[in-house]
Order: sequence, then C-alpha cells, then structure tokens
Amino acid sequence: DAGVTQSPTHLIKTRGQHVTLRCSPISGHKSVSWYQQVLGQGPQFIFQYYEKEERGRGNFPDRFSARQFPNYSSELNVNALLLGDSALYLCASSGLAGGVQETQYFGPGTRLLVL
Amino acid sequence: AQKVTQAQTEISVVEKEDVTLDCVYETRDTTYYLFWYKQPPSGELVFLIRRNSFDEQNEISGRYSWNFQKSTSSFNFTITASQVVDSAVYFCALRAPLPQDGTYKYIFGTGTRLKVLA
Repeated sequence: DAGVTQSPTHLIKTRGQHVTLRCSPISGHKSVSWYQQVLGQGPQFIFQYYEKEERGRGNFPDRFSARQFPNYSSELNVNALLLGDSALYLCASSGLAGGVQETQYFGPGTRLLVL
Repeated sequence: AQKVTQAQTEISVVEKEDVTLDCVYETRDTTYYLFWYKQPPSGELVFLIRRNSFDEQNEISGRYSWNFQKSTSSFNFTITASQVVDSAVYFCALRAPLPQDGTYKYIFGTGTRLKVLA
C-alpha cells in the first residue's frame, strides 16, 4: 500500500508570496495533521483535520490555513511568506483522530525555501 | 506542561558499537503515549515504536530495544551492534491532548543525530 504522499517535494518562493502544499493520506486514513520542521529542530504541530473539519491548531499565525477534501487529502496554505517560513513541512495521516490506537505516519515532506 | 527533552544533540559511534539515545518527557496526563521516529537525510519520519503509559515492559525488535521507566519519566532507545545505515536523526515524541476532546497532537524533542562510522 502507498504511504503518505506530498507534493511538491521542493519549492522556492519569495517573501510576500503565497504557497499551497498538498498531502494524500494512507488509504483508509481519515485524519491528516501538518507539522513544520525548521532546520535543527523537531517538528512543530500546525493543524489536525478529521472528516474535513479542523480538530486542532498549533501556535501559528492566521497566515497559515488548511483544508481537507472529501477524499481526505489536504492542502496547507501559507500567505504573505516570511523568511522564517523556510522549513520542511510534514504531513501525517492516522486512522482515527484521537483514537487510542492512533499512530501518525509521515510523508516525505515538502522543503520550502523563502528568499 | 507537556515536554520532551533529548539532551544529546549528536552522537558518533564506530560501527558495531552499541548506542543509547536518551528521552525524558513531562506530562500531567495519567494515560499517554510515547513514540520514536527515525529521520534519514531524505526527510521522511519513519515510525519505529509506540508505547503506552500502562505498559512498562521493555521491548526488543531485532537490534533495537526500548527501556520505558515511568519513575524517571524516561523512554530510552538502544541500538545494538550499530550499522552505517542507522545514521539518521532520531526523534522521541509524546502524544498530547488538544483542547477539543478526543484530539491529539505530537510533541517532539529536538532530536539526536546519530553518526555511525565505518
């Protein structure tokens, strides 16, 4: 079975631009979470979506938004890019939001560089 | 507060040596889950193990073993007879509840970079 897929793999943008990152979860998984990983740090939680609803949000500004589609794929949008948004953006899928057996499986990430 | 601390930033060992990666966590919850992930240079986080707070038995999987001790809030990871392919960044994570009931996020440590030299 295919794992979590993300696109694009790499992206270069300039300050002030907008970016959209995409994620397809493991088949059968209904929950998608997004994390930001700055170089040298651990991943930081941005959003969790389950059944197309936002179920949780981390400490990120409103420039960050996301949505989940009927097929459970998800998009992460970042507006008005700043240099500090340069990071690896990871998507994780799990079988049941909040389920006690939930384990998050991660995709390969999208490396975003903001110049 | 919910927190994961990996005090070892980088460890270098020679192939075939044993190595232990430390993880200390903080949580107010009585029920919680801990995880270890491996991140090779490609960037993808690879799931290694999940442990719940009710199960303090140590676990062994091939060359990997995990020592969970609630008394010291530690969940350490040992690689026996390390190999060059073990070179990666290893993250310990704690599942933490979000304000909305039944939802959770993962809190990660800062990771330990393991370099296994041939």
